Amino acid sequence: AQTVTQSQPEMSVQEAETVTLSCTYDTSESDYYLFWYKQPPSRQMILVIRQEAYKQQNATENRFSVNFQKAAKSFSLKISDSQLGDAAMYFCAYRSASGGNKLVFGAGTILRVKS
Amino acid sequence: KAGVTQTPRYLIKTRGQQVTLSCSPISGHRSVSWYQQTPGQGLQFLFEYFSETQRNKGNFPGRFSGRQFSNSRSEMNVSTLELGDSALYLCASSPETSGYNEQFFGPGTRLTVL
Repeated sequence: AQTVTQSQPEMSVQEAETVTLSCTYDTSESDYYLFWYKQPPSRQMILVIRQEAYKQQNATENRFSVNFQKAAKSFSLKISDSQLGDAAMYFCAYRSASGGNKLVFGAGTILRVKS
Repeated sequence: KAGVTQTPRYLIKTRGQQVTLSCSPISGHRSVSWYQQTPGQGLQFLFEYFSETQRNKGNFPGRFSGRQFSNSRSEMNVSTLELGDSALYLCASSPETSGYNEQFFGPGTRLTVL
């Protein structure tokens, strides 16, 4: 079974600074997808960024980018120019390419943004 | 397009009762997945339905069941409620059951079991 580990329960960043959230996963599969979801206090889960395992190029979405290291099974999220609206719980998630839409989530990292 | 809707948003039940939660996916989406979120266990996959068929099932007891209708709306049912069933139940919809597709989450149903 696949597992996802987020080792940082909580992180803080100063507004306009950069922060990196860590995620590691364990799988024996070679084809899969990785995601970062954001859950603000409203509890609405929002997709931040996604990565296909077969793509070596790291995904980027505006201020959000990932560092995907397939051999190390690592998938970290970098948030540049942090904004107050980035404050939320961030979840790393894994989905098998052959397992339907089942997402395996990490425990989450609470991100606090200081003004 | 309207987003994923879940009803009711809040629910209070007592132990031993049963409950039914509803999820209406985004128009055109045929896959609906359900997740349970608790402080202790985090986010856990319950099951996925695609075109009225259960495609995946998580490690939950048989008290948890679901179904999907021809219009893709889905319901999940929990029978003989236990205190540990108190959680936020999230559903997510997607146009497909495979491929590089995004799942869109609803706002959740907060279930409290007393």
